[in-house]
Amino acid sequence: GESVGLHLPTLSVQEGDNSIINCAYSNSASDYFIWYKQESGKGPQFIIDIRSNMDKRQGQRVTVLLNKTVKHLSLQIAATQPGDSAVYFCAENPSGGYQKVTFGTGTKLQVIP
Amino acid sequence: GAVVSQHPSRVICKSGTSVKIECRSLDFQATTMFWYRQFPKQSLMLMATSNEGSKATYEQGVEKDKFLINHASLTLSTLTVASAHPEDSSFYICSALRAGGRPNEQFFGPGTRLTVL
Repeated sequence: GESVGLHLPTLSVQEGDNSIINCAYSNSASDYFIWYKQESGKGPQFIIDIRSNMDKRQGQRVTVLLNKTVKHLSLQIAATQPGDSAVYFCAENPSGGYQKVTFGTGTKLQVIP
Repeated sequence: GAVVSQHPSRVICKSGTSVKIECRSLDFQATTMFWYRQFPKQSLMLMATSNEGSKATYEQGVEKDKFLINHASLTLSTLTVASAHPEDSSFYICSALRAGGRPNEQFFGPGTRLTVL
């Protein structure tokens, strides 16, 4: 079946360095991809999304890259801070409408002070 | 803006009792709310989609008679776990889509930790 998954379950990064979190997806029909951040004991927080007709989108300190050829999605965090420590999930929305999203398995980002 | 609350944040109950969890959008109207459950160190699994004024749409494998969802207003959805058992222990999270907002921007509640003894 269709699935969204992550390459790395845990990522340790030195404070100040850039972080790259990767995600592979299999549903080539997905129209939107979203990144969420979940801190321990809290609900997920929307970070950024990208539509399938784009290959790059930038936000504040974050950049999402989409490679449709290899069905790969990545989240880049610039100048990683201790507050960035969390679990990051990629998710896909098949049509971009007001429908459910499918979450990937998550990557835990640990920032080393 | 766009704050979603859940109540209670934590509940411990005996096996066989029913538990109600509330999800409220505090400063916006939510035509659609979603209910997820999350086991430790795992991803969020969608249980059901709740639309205001209509019956919820449940995901495959989710028992609608056990997980009762009511979306009575544009700011409130409730999940009732009927006759809870230890295997129902989990982290339950709701999210809400703001009416007229971005289709992908779900606002999540802080979650409810359910422990069934």
